[in-house]
Amino acid sequence: ETGVTQTPRHLVMGMTNKKSLKCEQHLGHNAMYWYKQSAKKPLELMFVYSLEERVENNSVPSRFSPECPNSSHLFLHLHTLQPEDSALYLCASSQSVGSGANVLTFGAGSRLTVL
Amino acid sequence: GQNIDQPTEMTATEGAIVQINCTYQTSGFNGLFWYQQHAGEAPTFLSYNVLDGLEEKGRFSSFLSRSKGYSYLLLKELQMKDSASYLCAVRDSNYQLIWGAGTKLIIKP
Repeated sequence: ETGVTQTPRHLVMGMTNKKSLKCEQHLGHNAMYWYKQSAKKPLELMFVYSLEERVENNSVPSRFSPECPNSSHLFLHLHTLQPEDSALYLCASSQSVGSGANVLTFGAGSRLTVL
Repeated sequence: GQNIDQPTEMTATEGAIVQINCTYQTSGFNGLFWYQQHAGEAPTFLSYNVLDGLEEKGRFSSFLSRSKGYSYLLLKELQMKDSASYLCAVRDSNYQLIWGAGTKLIIKP
């Protein structure tokens, strides 16, 4: 399997549930990202990992907790979410963070609905 | 603040040409990207401009004017499969990507 794979593709959860989103990249990239995509809004960067170390956390509420156990896997743990957290969560990877063209390769996303 | 502006929606006819504009105000500039996103799918990379001028890739071309804070994506010989959202993103002086909200392009037969 190649590219960036995200599971599950769809998730419905109540506000008191705990769930996790998973991302796996098979590209040998060193950087991984979580983005939130809401309708008609720009992509919002949530977290960035470079070589398994978190290098950015854009004031994301603590109910979102990332985990990067190795350079190929990234998780987003979800706990006591709010209805406004319903969105498409996109994972991406790139060769590195920063300079050069540094093109992002995205997964197809996990569509989250919070009831 | 930093801002990327692009039209929300555009409609064009199969076989025609369409130009999607993107204007930006950012803290510094380290490149501009265009991505294509079909409904329910991953955004995919289309083009990268860091110097002024036109970059051509088959039916798609991207233009950049850094002095005007302006780019456009030009799609020729439109096909139905070009119906998608087109995302403009600028990398600022801190190498942060600033994204536009995307332009939904509808192609009609």
